[in-house]
Amino acid sequence: AQSVAQPEDQVNVAEGNPLTVKCTYSVSGNPYLFWYVQYPNRGLQFLLKYITGDNLVKGSYGFEAEFNKSQTSFHLKKPSALVSDSALYFCAVRDSNSGYALNFGKGTSLLVTP
Amino acid sequence: DAMVIQNPRYQVTQFGKPVTLSCSQTLNHNVMYWYQQKSSQAPKLLFHYYDKDFNNEADTPDNFQSRRPNTSFCFLDIRSPGLGDAAMYLCATSRGERNTEAFFGQGTRLTVV
Repeated sequence: AQSVAQPEDQVNVAEGNPLTVKCTYSVSGNPYLFWYVQYPNRGLQFLLKYITGDNLVKGSYGFEAEFNKSQTSFHLKKPSALVSDSALYFCAVRDSNSGYALNFGKGTSLLVTP
Repeated sequence: DAMVIQNPRYQVTQFGKPVTLSCSQTLNHNVMYWYQQKSSQAPKLLFHYYDKDFNNEADTPDNFQSRRPNTSFCFLDIRSPGLGDAAMYLCATSRGERNTEAFFGQGTRLTVV
């Protein structure tokens, strides 16, 4: 069965500092990995994905993520955080050996302080 | 703009009274999903369709049913809502390849009174 884990409930960072939101995954085949952001009372917005190839993936709003197969991780990063980045971030996985189910981690609340 | 539309945004229903939530898409995607999300928790997959092929998650209660009459529309039926079913319900779509991202609607917040 496919699953993702987000070990941190909350990440706090000062504006202008780099941020990292952690995600690890478990699949039987090859992973397709996704990051989404959610603002209060809204749906989820897609940020970026890893499917194959370059381990560093660039996405929307200056976010990037690093895929590490040996550590089964897909951490979300941004070099310089903005207050407006404060939101709930979800990692998701789909297994190449399974169907089309897309499973999410529990989410990490990012708080960027001025 | 192509998108995923959920109606209504807010729904109040009485305990035990059947309720239907609607989702439509203009993306012509093969796959449609329904998720339940409570209080900033992880979206929990209830079921998904690949075209007409229905896939129910093992732990989805029987109280939850779904219909997909055509490519564009998908419905979530809650036969006898309980207080524990109060949540945000999210509809999403994706193309028919496993490496593609899902697009989400704005969600329907269900309140059970």
